[in-house]
Amino acid sequence: DAGVIQSPRHEVTEMGQEVTLRCKLISGHNSLFWYRQTMMRGLELLIYFNNNVPIDDSGMPEDRFSAKMPNASFSTLKIQPSEPRDSAVYFCASSQGGDSNQPQHFGDGTRLSIL
Amino acid sequence: AQSVTQLGSHVSVSEGALVLLRCNYSSSVPPYLFWYVQYPNQGLQLLLKYTTGATLVKGINGFEAEFKKSETSFHLTKPSAHMSDAAEYFCAVIHSGGYNKLIFGAGTRLAVHP
Repeated sequence: DAGVIQSPRHEVTEMGQEVTLRCKLISGHNSLFWYRQTMMRGLELLIYFNNNVPIDDSGMPEDRFSAKMPNASFSTLKIQPSEPRDSAVYFCASSQGGDSNQPQHFGDGTRLSIL
Repeated sequence: AQSVTQLGSHVSVSEGALVLLRCNYSSSVPPYLFWYVQYPNQGLQLLLKYTTGATLVKGINGFEAEFKKSETSFHLTKPSAHMSDAAEYFCAVIHSGGYNKLIFGAGTRLAVHP
């Protein structure tokens, strides 16, 4: 079975540009998580969706960040305008339901560099 | 609030030696505990999880972990390290009863040398 698929794997762009990261959930999963990983701050949860609805967006850094689920199997994370401090590896993960005992399955991440 | 502390940001062992990665958690309610492994340029992969029942949990790749409530610990072990075990390992806790929001430790980088 296909796992969580993220694209692009690498993105290099200049500050001020819009960045769109994409994530395809595992078939049958209905919970979606976006994370950011940096050396300084480790793994941070940005936002959590359940059944396409944002449930917890308390980790979204600021208004420059937005996330959507246009359908049950796909999500985007946008940064506009991008800044050098947004450089990080961004992961999405999905799970079958939001129950506490459901493990999250991670994609391979998007390595984002803002120049 | 839940939290996780991983003792030792870097651990180095010889091939064939015991691997012990330490994790202590803080939770006011029964926790669900997870270990994930991250290989270079990859996402996190679930090694094992503890929810309820048997406190010794076996996972993939020969790893196991024991939940010790009295010590608030969930240490990860493997009897004999292999070169392919070199990776970063993350302990995480979920507040049982809430949604499956993972609170991660800072991670431990395991190096295995010949």
